[in-house]
Amino acid sequence: QVQLVQSGAEVKKPGASVKISCKASGYTFTGYSMSWVRQAPGQGLEWMGVIDPSDGRTNYAQKFQGRVTMTRDTSTSTVYMELSSLKSEDTAVFYCARVFLTTGSEFDFWGQGTLVTVSS
Amino acid sequence: QSVLTQSPSASGTPGQRVTMSCSGSSSNIGRNTVNWYQQLPGTAPRLVIYANDGRPSGVPDRFSGSKSGTSASLAISGLQSDDEADYYCAAWDDSLSGQVVFGGGTKLTVL
Repeated sequence: QVQLVQSGAEVKKPGASVKISCKASGYTFTGYSMSWVRQAPGQGLEWMGVIDPSDGRTNYAQKFQGRVTMTRDTSTSTVYMELSSLKSEDTAVFYCARVFLTTGSEFDFWGQGTLVTVSS
Repeated sequence: QSVLTQSPSASGTPGQRVTMSCSGSSSNIGRNTVNWYQQLPGTAPRLVIYANDGRPSGVPDRFSGSKSGTSASLAISGLQSDDEADYYCAAWDDSLSGQVVFGGGTKLTVL
């Protein structure tokens, strides 16, 4: 069965970076793109970008360009999302989500979420 | 402020049919398909409708979706208490070099 397992909660200081992992299993890792979605406390969903694990190509939301980096390790079927220059407004739950159709906004499996708290 | 517009709340009693809407523009819903996600408190979102009206395996046929022009709708018939959740619409947007946009979410209350 398809599973996306994310790394644990993080506490970071403003200005720091955070790197979250998402380990995939139960399907061909390179066959599906992976997106990252952010959800601030009590707020809605916000798309951050997508990575194609087959070649590492990325497409970042304009809002996060310059601050976000998505990478993958095909040997461990893991994708990573690093967000730099953290601010208190970046406090949120971050989800990885598998993209199952080519149009790009259909996420059929989600990770459990990783809470990132940014506080001095 | 979300690119896609959803009513903040909706409600219904058990057994009723409720609908919720999602309004966009020509760069997103007008030219791309719409997906709907259900999010129960404290859990990850779950896809309930894809490509306007497709239903993933395991989603009851009480859930249905439709799209017309730059708007889309999600309908839930035979409302049940465990349908109480936040519902988000999403679509690809061809502007800004392409990105996924979400609605702000509709909180469904089962009275």
